[in-house]
Amino acid sequence: TQLLEQSPQFLSIQEGENLTVYCNSSSVFSSLQWYRQEPGEGPVLLVTVVTGGEVKKLKRLTFQFGDARKDSSLHITAAQPGDTGLYLCAGVLRNAGNMLTFGGGTRLMVKP
Amino acid sequence: NAGVTQTPKFRILKIGQSMTLQCTQDMNHNYMYWYRQDPGMGLKLIYYSVGAGITDKGEVPNGYNVSRSTTEDFPLRLELAAPSQTSVYFCASSYILRAVEAFFGQGTRLTVV
Repeated sequence: TQLLEQSPQFLSIQEGENLTVYCNSSSVFSSLQWYRQEPGEGPVLLVTVVTGGEVKKLKRLTFQFGDARKDSSLHITAAQPGDTGLYLCAGVLRNAGNMLTFGGGTRLMVKP
Repeated sequence: NAGVTQTPKFRILKIGQSMTLQCTQDMNHNYMYWYRQDPGMGLKLIYYSVGAGITDKGEVPNGYNVSRSTTEDFPLRLELAAPSQTSVYFCASSYILRAVEAFFGQGTRLTVV
């Protein structure tokens, strides 16, 4: 059982469609991050959220941290083939040391 | 800055052999991590360190050992390689705890046969 559960695990959509990826936990996090990973590379940080209810936008990507700091979502508007990749959420549990734990990832494929 | 550098990039080991995966960062980060990533999956934390001389177990530490004698280096040791350790290994570093922003190396692809 993973601390951070991501859904869906796989997503295949057409260019121009919108999508939302979810990251859920029963635990409270001090902060939560979203990373994107391309084949053969390490994950690259997209955004960090630290305040419950926080919303951050990065061009066509919108990130939200749940009010209770147990969950997060990533929404992509008008997806493009360049958005294809593995999206990972990661977080530091509050009151549980310094471990940075990752979810299982959502593999996104955007078809032209 | 080079960031986080891992060596080697690829390695094939025979069952029972030992090896050390090297990781160096030049960003003066105090936190360093080792993860493994199985095909199509997320990352599982093996060990982490919050500073020189301090290490802690992560989610899947069995079969691995680490040391942190300097701020820059965080090697991962496999003593008796097993096929279950076939994976891609990533080293990462970060500076601030509350808003951790981890920087990753390019990974080491290890196959145990």
